[in-house]
Amino acid sequence: AQSVTQPDIHITVSEGASLELRCNYSYGATPYLFWYVQSPGQGLQLLLKYFSGDTLVQGIKGFEAEFKRSQSSFNLRKPSVHWSDAAEYFCAVGDNFGNEKLTFGTGTRLTIIP
Amino acid sequence: ETGVTQSPTHLIKTRGQQVTLRCSSQSGHNTVSWYQQALGQGPQFIFQYYREEENGRGNFPPRFSGLQFPNYSSELNVNALELDDSALYLCASSVKGRNTGELFFGEGSRLTVL
Repeated sequence: AQSVTQPDIHITVSEGASLELRCNYSYGATPYLFWYVQSPGQGLQLLLKYFSGDTLVQGIKGFEAEFKRSQSSFNLRKPSVHWSDAAEYFCAVGDNFGNEKLTFGTGTRLTIIP
Repeated sequence: ETGVTQSPTHLIKTRGQQVTLRCSSQSGHNTVSWYQQALGQGPQFIFQYYREEENGRGNFPPRFSGLQFPNYSSELNVNALELDDSALYLCASSVKGRNTGELFFGEGSRLTVL
């Protein structure tokens, strides 16, 4: 069975600083990986996804993520965070291309300090 | 383009009661998935509906059931409510066959069971 681990429950970053959120997955075949963001009172929004090809993927809002098969990781990064980035971030894995049945991690809450 | 809408946004029930949650999918989307998000957890896949039939189910008991209507809207029904059913219930729509894997989420229905 597939699974996702987000080891950091809560991260605090100063505005303008760089950010890296960790995600490790467990899946037997080629994974389909996603990062979603959930802001208070809003539904989850897709930031980026990896299906195949280039292991560095670009997403919306200046986010990027790198797929590392050898480490079973798909870490999310942003070079300079903005106060509006404060939210809950979820990594997810899908079991089939286009399957849309995702397994989510427990999330990382991001706090931005001035 | 109308996004995913869910109703009601909040509701309170007592143990043993039944609840129905509703979801209108995004325009042009033919697949609806339901997720349960307990406090402090990531969303968990309940089931998916495509062409008015269940198309995959997560680890949830039969008292969780659903429907999809010809206009692709959907209902989630939970019978014999238990305290642990208290959660945010998320509906997500997508287009099967488009092979993007992207889910479009509503803001959720927050259920409290007393």
